[in-house]
Amino acid sequence: SQKIEQNSEALNIQEGKTATLTCNYTNYSPAYLQWYRQDPGRGPVFLLLIRENEKEKRKERLKVTFDTTLKQSLFHITASQPADSATYLCARGEGGYSTLTFGKGTMLLVSP
Amino acid sequence: SQTIHQWPATLVQPVGSPLSLECTVEGTSNPNLYWYRQAAGRGLQLLFYSVGIGQISSEVPQNLSASRPQDRQFILSSKKLLLSDSGFYLCAWSNSGSPDTQYFGPGTRLTVL
Repeated sequence: SQKIEQNSEALNIQEGKTATLTCNYTNYSPAYLQWYRQDPGRGPVFLLLIRENEKEKRKERLKVTFDTTLKQSLFHITASQPADSATYLCARGEGGYSTLTFGKGTMLLVSP
Repeated sequence: SQTIHQWPATLVQPVGSPLSLECTVEGTSNPNLYWYRQAAGRGLQLLFYSVGIGQISSEVPQNLSASRPQDRQFILSSKKLLLSDSGFYLCAWSNSGSPDTQYFGPGTRLTVL
């Protein structure tokens, strides 16, 4: 089965620094990877999607990379703020009418 | 714009009791619909998904069932709840033509005692 692995340990960083979260996948490369943000007691919110043939995607302070050699996606938040504190989920999709496989998420804590 | 509703927001049920959680989507037609469960410390587990009325695919065998009586309505049910059914239940939808991105509802926190 296809797996998504995210660091289960929380990432603590200081406000203003760049946060980098890692998502590793197994077996073959997915058609795309997605990143979601989840606040406690809330449903996940979609942030970014990057396709297999894309190296990098940006949206405001967010940047996602897709490295098919390392089987890895990196999610960056530049100039992080305490409001960025949340759990970030990575998901792989196979395209077509397939479903998503989610990782367990990594909690990010940004301190003032 | 599209919105997704789930109710109830929280639910406390005794073991062996029935369950019915409802999800409705507004502002879109023929969406793909999904039910997930998120247990404490665990990831999102896909339970069921549907690509159309009456079409249900089950990902994990269990004592839960799902139904889609209308295009934008998705219901999660159980005849007899188990302690292990406790968790955070999330409904999500995606466009049928481009199922890449999923949009989640606010969730239902279920506690089985």
